[in-house]
Amino acid sequence: ETGVTQSPTHLIKTRGQQVTLRCSSQSGHNTVSWYQQALGQGPQFIFQYYREEENGRGNFPPRFSGLQFPNYSSELNVNALELDDSALYLCASSLDPTRENTEAFFGQGTRLTVV
Amino acid sequence: AQSVSQHNHHVILSEAASLELGCNYSYGGTVNLFWYVQYPGQHLQLLLKYFSGDPLVKGIKGFEAEFIKSKFSFNLRKPSVQWSDTAEYFCAPHQTGANNLFFGTGTRLTVIP
Repeated sequence: ETGVTQSPTHLIKTRGQQVTLRCSSQSGHNTVSWYQQALGQGPQFIFQYYREEENGRGNFPPRFSGLQFPNYSSELNVNALELDDSALYLCASSLDPTRENTEAFFGQGTRLTVV
Repeated sequence: AQSVSQHNHHVILSEAASLELGCNYSYGGTVNLFWYVQYPGQHLQLLLKYFSGDPLVKGIKGFEAEFIKSKFSFNLRKPSVQWSDTAEYFCAPHQTGANNLFFGTGTRLTVIP
């Protein structure tokens, strides 16, 4: 166990709906990164939150947004869901990204299916 | 542009066979290198990491990897695989100063008893 917990584990939504995924980071970690893993692919970086602010973003449209709370937990919100958003969404927590030699710890992921 | 290449998409081996999975990356500057494993139905787990120093690093479950800077490679090896090594393996370089890991497409390893 990594100490990173995600909820829910599985979710089915209809195209056009909105979804919120949640992540609790490992104790002592102040940075949360979100990744999307489509079937048969490696995880792709969505964005990172550090000290409650977005700290870098991958090639994802604005309908993917997030939050980080004072306790360092985080949410990923996706609006106007599309069929291609079906994937495993992974949360990773780590220490201060300005440190060298930082290691990320992953949660079990949320499997999102858009129908 | 950053890229990472895992040459083997699916590898099938018999138990006790030796394993080598290739990983090449294209980055400038200082890079930390990771191999992650994803067992069926489980979360991504760190297998091993390279930050600096001895380019031959040892990880969990008998895995090791060698960083060859001149070849931009970080290949994963195990002398004798077990059925329980069946999983997806991801190489993930991290460029110092960047926010994120950059994952390869993964290699699926199937070990036949």
